[in-house]
Amino acid sequence: KAGVTQTPRYLIKTRGQQVTLSCSPISGHRSVSWYQQTPGQGLQFLFEYFSETQRNKGNFPGRFSGRQFSNSRSEMNVSTLELGDSALYLCASSLQGLSSEQYFGPGTRLTVT
Amino acid sequence: GEDVEQSLFLSVREGDSSVINCTYTDSSSTYLYWYKQEPGAGLQLLTYIFSNMDMKQDQRLTVLLNKKDKHLSLRIADTQTGDSAIYFCALGSGNTGKLIFGQGTTLQVKP
Repeated sequence: KAGVTQTPRYLIKTRGQQVTLSCSPISGHRSVSWYQQTPGQGLQFLFEYFSETQRNKGNFPGRFSGRQFSNSRSEMNVSTLELGDSALYLCASSLQGLSSEQYFGPGTRLTVT
Repeated sequence: GEDVEQSLFLSVREGDSSVINCTYTDSSSTYLYWYKQEPGAGLQLLTYIFSNMDMKQDQRLTVLLNKKDKHLSLRIADTQTGDSAIYFCALGSGNTGKLIFGQGTTLQVKP
């Protein structure tokens, strides 16, 4: 069974631009969560989608948004990029959320210049 | 809010046992996880324990949970150089995909 895939793996963007990251969960998994990892703040929860609905949201500004498609693939979008958005963005998939294990993808490394 | 604390660094010799500790404040957590992160990689799920369990063993890994002291530990037996990585404990509750992570413990294994 294929694992969680994230594309692209690396991105370099300029301040003010927007970016879209993609996550394909493990086949059969319906829950996708997104996390931001930075050296200063560690791993922070962004949001979770389940059956195309946002079920939970972390404390991030509205510039961070996401969606989930009917095939459970998820995208997250960051608009008006700031230098502080430079981070490793990780997505995790699970069957239904925390009732089962969460498996993480390799992440997308975003650098904002 | 919920807080999860880990010591930042642990150094052991190859063949020794490693014990990585985690303390937390919120006792409502239902699931407690251990993840491993190698340089440039995502998070690898090592093991997890339900809050109604005290111990779980999985090959070289032993997880101990002390609910009274809100303390979680991961013991790695016969530590190998390939175990060198950052180890995160993470707590979750309910049926949502939100995990609260500790800041991670860097495990250094010396040959």
